[in-house]
Amino acid sequence: DAGVIQSPRHEVTEMGQEVTLRCKPISGHDYLFWYRQTMMRGLELLIYFNNNVPIDDSGMPEDRFSAKMPNASFSTLKIQPSEPRDSAVYFCASRPKTGGRETQYFGPGTRLLVL
Amino acid sequence: AQSVAQPEDQVNVAEGNPLTVKCTYSVSGNPYLFWYVQYPNRGLQFLLKYITGDNLVKGSYGFEAEFNKSQTSFHLKKPSALVSDSALYFCAVRDHYNQGGKLIFGQGTELSVKP
Repeated sequence: DAGVIQSPRHEVTEMGQEVTLRCKPISGHDYLFWYRQTMMRGLELLIYFNNNVPIDDSGMPEDRFSAKMPNASFSTLKIQPSEPRDSAVYFCASRPKTGGRETQYFGPGTRLLVL
Repeated sequence: AQSVAQPEDQVNVAEGNPLTVKCTYSVSGNPYLFWYVQYPNRGLQFLLKYITGDNLVKGSYGFEAEFNKSQTSFHLKKPSALVSDSALYFCAVRDHYNQGGKLIFGQGTELSVKP
């Protein structure tokens, strides 16, 4: 398996622009997680899905952020409009269904810079 | 509240020496504990986990961790460090109040192994 795939790997945009980050989880995994990593706040869970349904979005910073999972093999995280404080590395992770014992597998991340 | 603490921001070790990266936790119930490693510009890679059973858990790349319930610790260890072990290490615990297996991460410890 190719692992969790994220695109783009790097994104540079200007304040006010819309940014869309993409994730393809490992095939057969039922859970998908979006994280944000910054020096100040470390790793933060933004939202996670179970069987394509958003379960917990309490970590989403504000209404400018939205996430979707239209099918089992694809998810997007959208920021509109983007702001410089959104600059961070965004990770997607997936894990199989069976209980909390299963490991989360992370993608390589998208490094976002908002100017 | 459930939490994970990594008391050292940075650990410096000479190549060939043993290394320890510390982690303490606070959870209700039995903890599910994880260690991840992050190399520069890469995603998090799973190293090992403790769910139940033997307190000494062996993982990837020669790493091991010891679960100590009385001290609520899960320190990561390796008998002989390599320069290539230099990376950022994260300890995590499963959030028992979250059905999706949400992980709570520590702030990370930067391991530097010098030749």
